[in-house]
Amino acid sequence: EVQLVESGGGLVQSGRSLRLSCIASGFTFGDHAMAWFRQAPGTGLEWVALIRNRAYSGTTEYAASVKGRFTISRDDSKSIAYLQMNSLKTEDTAIYYCTRRDGFAAKFDYWGQGTLVTVSS
Amino acid sequence: QSVLTQPPSASGTPGQRVTISCSGGNSNIGTSTVNWYQQLPGTAPKLLIYSNNQRPSGVPDRFSGSKSGTSASLAISGLQSEDEADYYCAAWDDSLSGPAFGGGTKVTAL
Repeated sequence: EVQLVESGGGLVQSGRSLRLSCIASGFTFGDHAMAWFRQAPGTGLEWVALIRNRAYSGTTEYAASVKGRFTISRDDSKSIAYLQMNSLKTEDTAIYYCTRRDGFAAKFDYWGQGTLVTVSS
Repeated sequence: QSVLTQPPSASGTPGQRVTISCSGGNSNIGTSTVNWYQQLPGTAPKLLIYSNNQRPSGVPDRFSGSKSGTSASLAISGLQSEDEADYYCAAWDDSLSGPAFGGGTKVTAL
């Protein structure tokens, strides 16, 4: 059974940093691209970052709203994806979801339960 | 504003057919497949339709998807109360180098 479990969320002051982790199980982690999404309270889904698998050199992509502040990475030996969030802003407050991409395009077939990040001013 | 455009809400009585539209452009829907996600209240999103019209295992066949040009739609045939949720369309966007999402449509069973 595929499982994605996020951790690392919490309350942090504006300007500080936080690192989210996503522990994956139930599939060959290294075969899949992984991505992070977020959902601010009462709003829709927003893609944050994506990291491709080793076959595609683990290249990364970022939404414009986080580029230069957030870094996505992966440790295939531990089946963990990370999201390092620096220079946090109040508008980064959201539930952050870890997802697995199946194949290409925008097919994200498994989602974690989410971890809440709250940035205070 | 979201890259893909969806109506904010849709509704129907139980048993009715409900359709949700999703409009995009040449950099996303026009050149990529469309996926739909269902988010039940208080839960994480779930893949509902992929590759325009394919259902993952376990998704009831009352859900169907279609795509034409730069637009797509999701249909729920025979709306049920448990279908009350937010629905999001998504497609890869070459301009973003990432997935583009619609703003979501809240479906209500009257």
